[in-house]
Amino acid sequence: ENVLTQSPVTLSLSPGERATLSCRASQSVSSYLAWYQQKPGQAPRLLIYDASNRATGIPARFSGSGSGTDFTLTISSLEPEDFAVYFCQQRSNWPRITFGQGTRLEIK
Amino acid sequence: QVQLVQSGAEVKRPGASVKVSCKASGYIFTAYYMHWVRQAPGQGLEWMGWIYPNTGGTNPAQKFQGRVTMTRDTSISTIYMELTGLTSDDTAVYFCARDLVAWQVRNYFDYWGQGTLVTVSS
Repeated sequence: ENVLTQSPVTLSLSPGERATLSCRASQSVSSYLAWYQQKPGQAPRLLIYDASNRATGIPARFSGSGSGTDFTLTISSLEPEDFAVYFCQQRSNWPRITFGQGTRLEIK
Repeated sequence: QVQLVQSGAEVKRPGASVKVSCKASGYIFTAYYMHWVRQAPGQGLEWMGWIYPNTGGTNPAQKFQGRVTMTRDTSISTIYMELTGLTSDDTAVYFCARDLVAWQVRNYFDYWGQGTLVTVSS
């Protein structure tokens, strides 16, 4: 199984700051990686797919980068609504689709 | 607008089965692969498998093979996920989710249902 390890587990920042979240795969996933945002009591929301493509309606402050085993989600300037849990997900080793354990982005 | 509306919360005894429904609207139901993803309380996300409403074909994750059945009723644009042999480890919120692109499986999930809490307890 391709294990996705996200870091940090918790990230404490203030609105307006830049957030950098990491996702590392135990085996290469090429560019087949997505990022999701989840708020308490809600379903996840697709932000980024194929490592760097923003999903429909996602603000430009969200960007993704990376390939192979190392990926980054960057939020250029945090808005109050961005504080949530973020998951990465790989689809490279299909049919074994796996998710990372999540990074909690909290207000400092 | 795309909407996925799931059935309500369930409480089941160990060893029982549960069947969760997900009604789709706002798009061509048969065009998109549909997935099931679950999330144990306070935990991460776990993919369970997909169904292609156009053909009824399914692909359950290896972990759930033999225990999960995914079906659809095209007349009412609804998919179902039945999980048998429930244990306390199956206590989770179960989500249906639509694949990103029509007519092919990309294994990214752009629209999600609201989730159905299944509690397994004696």
